[in-house]
Amino acid sequence: GAGVSQSPSNKVTEKGKDVELRCDPISGHTALYWYRQSLGQGLEFLIYFQGNSAPDKSGLPSDRFSAERTGGSVSTLTIQRTQQEDSAVYLCASSLGRRSYEQYFGPGTRLTVT
Amino acid sequence: AQKVTQAQTEISVVEKEDVTLDCVYETRDTTYYLFWYKQPPSGELVFLIRRNSFDEQNEISGRYSWNFQKSTSSFNFTITASQVVDSAVYFCALSAGGGYQKVTFGTGTKLQVIP
Repeated sequence: GAGVSQSPSNKVTEKGKDVELRCDPISGHTALYWYRQSLGQGLEFLIYFQGNSAPDKSGLPSDRFSAERTGGSVSTLTIQRTQQEDSAVYLCASSLGRRSYEQYFGPGTRLTVT
Repeated sequence: AQKVTQAQTEISVVEKEDVTLDCVYETRDTTYYLFWYKQPPSGELVFLIRRNSFDEQNEISGRYSWNFQKSTSSFNFTITASQVVDSAVYFCALSAGGGYQKVTFGTGTKLQVIP
């Protein structure tokens, strides 16, 4: 497909388990973003990638959160030892990289920690 | 530091009414970009418009129009003759500063258009 894809679309996990969320950006987009959106809330910035580098990790809530990007394409957001407060929709977006460009968002992964 | 304020949390209008969504931004940069995104109930954010800081011309696209005023640091969005399909959460965003594209989003305004 031509858009940003994310998998899984839904994930239910038990507290304390690790989860991996995947994002496939639009081909050719060098910039990739992860956001978190809690129910009825705005977008909370988590991390930004330019190519495979993450110049801004300032939004990661704790050291249980990590992300990587390989080949300038697919990105994985990992949450270790999940907590109930991690329950949210995790959104991925990509763009052509320069600040003038709009972001294209994926459908999100809804994470529920029980 | 960048900041985007969308003071209106929720707005309800009756179909065919006009509605304006407010967006106020803060940045020290002279070059910046402003965006509006729409998030329909289905959940996926969709880009609506981009405006750079050097272009204060208002823009109209069908029933949508945007009013950019640097003097008041505002980038307001008006929907004319609203329709039920306009019901969504609308986010204003600012991209400014740094050597990369850091984007700051507002908290969003939920618009409900009542038939």
